[in-house]
Amino acid sequence: GESVGLHLPTLSVQEGDNSIINCAYSNSASDYFIWYKQESGKGPQFIIDIRSNMDKRQGQRVTVLLNKTVKHLSLQIAATQPGDSAVYFCAEVISGSARQLTFGSGTQLTVLP
Amino acid sequence: SQTIHQWPATLVQPVGSPLSLECTVEGTSNPNLYWYRQAAGRGLQLLFYSVGIGQISSEVPQNLSASRPQDRQFILSSKKLLLSDSGFYLCAWWSDEVYTFGSGTRLTVV
Repeated sequence: GESVGLHLPTLSVQEGDNSIINCAYSNSASDYFIWYKQESGKGPQFIIDIRSNMDKRQGQRVTVLLNKTVKHLSLQIAATQPGDSAVYFCAEVISGSARQLTFGSGTQLTVLP
Repeated sequence: SQTIHQWPATLVQPVGSPLSLECTVEGTSNPNLYWYRQAAGRGLQLLFYSVGIGQISSEVPQNLSASRPQDRQFILSSKKLLLSDSGFYLCAWWSDEVYTFGSGTRLTVV
């Protein structure tokens, strides 16, 4: 069935380096994508979103890129900090009135000192 | 302001006991409401969603049920819990192009 998946389950980066987390999706009916950060024992925290009519969106230290041709989404974190250590999920919002989210399995980002 | 309340934060229940988790939202009207479950080390799985009072759609067959007695209230229930029901349960809402999650309930069935 339709799904969202992540290429790498874990990612370790040095503090101060840039991080790139990738995500593949398969549902062409998705019109909205969201990246979430989840710390242990907490609910997902919104990071940044992007609509299907865009290919890039920037926030504070984060950039999301959307390539609809290959159905690929990425999250770039600039100057990664220890507080960025968490599990990152991409999610796609299915078009329609129900607006369900379909999540990938997550990538554990570990920032090394 | 828009807020979402979910309780309790943690819950330990014996196998075969009933369950009732409640979620309420404030600051919006007629939101879409959702229940998700997250198993340890896994992504979030949609269990139920509701687009209005009394309207419930189930995504995954299981021994859980959901109800929406009021516009801003969404309840997740079970008559008899199974060990496999353990997990992190999250309520969420969709309104005005914003998706917001509650703080979650960690359920351990023993």
